[in-house]
Amino acid sequence: GNSVTQMEGPVTLSEEAFLTINCTYTATGYPSLFWYVQYPGEGLQLLLKATKADDKGSNKGFEATYRKETTSFHLEKGSVQVSDSAVYFCALSDHLNYGGSQGNLIFGKGTKLSVKP
Amino acid sequence: IAGITQAPTSQILAAGRRMTLRCTQDMRHNAMYWYRQDLGLGLRLIHYSNTAGTTGKGEVPDGYSVSRANTDDFPLTLASAVPSQTSVYFCASALAGGTDTQYFGPGTRLTVL
Repeated sequence: GNSVTQMEGPVTLSEEAFLTINCTYTATGYPSLFWYVQYPGEGLQLLLKATKADDKGSNKGFEATYRKETTSFHLEKGSVQVSDSAVYFCALSDHLNYGGSQGNLIFGKGTKLSVKP
Repeated sequence: IAGITQAPTSQILAAGRRMTLRCTQDMRHNAMYWYRQDLGLGLRLIHYSNTAGTTGKGEVPDGYSVSRANTDDFPLTLASAVPSQTSVYFCASALAGGTDTQYFGPGTRLTVL
């Protein structure tokens, strides 16, 4: 079935360091891909998304490119800040998995990022 | 109300008790979802609803039921809670599913003793 695999955390970086969180997926068809962020004590928020191959999603300095050839959607940011400390989830929309669900999300297990000043 | 709300924020429940988690959205979204979040497992879909009056089972539906009597509300019921249902529960909604962005509520932390 469809699945998402993202790098294990936690990831600890110093402020202004470069961030990469790897995400690969297995899917039939052409899913949309998402990165969600969860700040401490809060629900998930959409960070960025891409709906087709070679699309680049970007927001708040984060970006990720939908790579169909490598089935990847790695999250990157050139210079992280303390305020970026959160848990990041990669996800794909699964149109077919649950017999009629219109686009429920399949999530990776999450990667906790801690940024030190 | 702006967005999606959940109640209660947290709850401690004795095993065997019945519990309903509430979820309300004011965005007139057609699709709604319930997920549970467990450490090391990410989020898993419990039940979903494509539109008012319809519901469906997700990845982990056992022990849970839902209803969708109207567009705004999507309650999740645990008929007889068990300790393995200790988790953080998130409700989400989307305009119409598919590639639409899902908007999440703040979550309910449930502990079953």
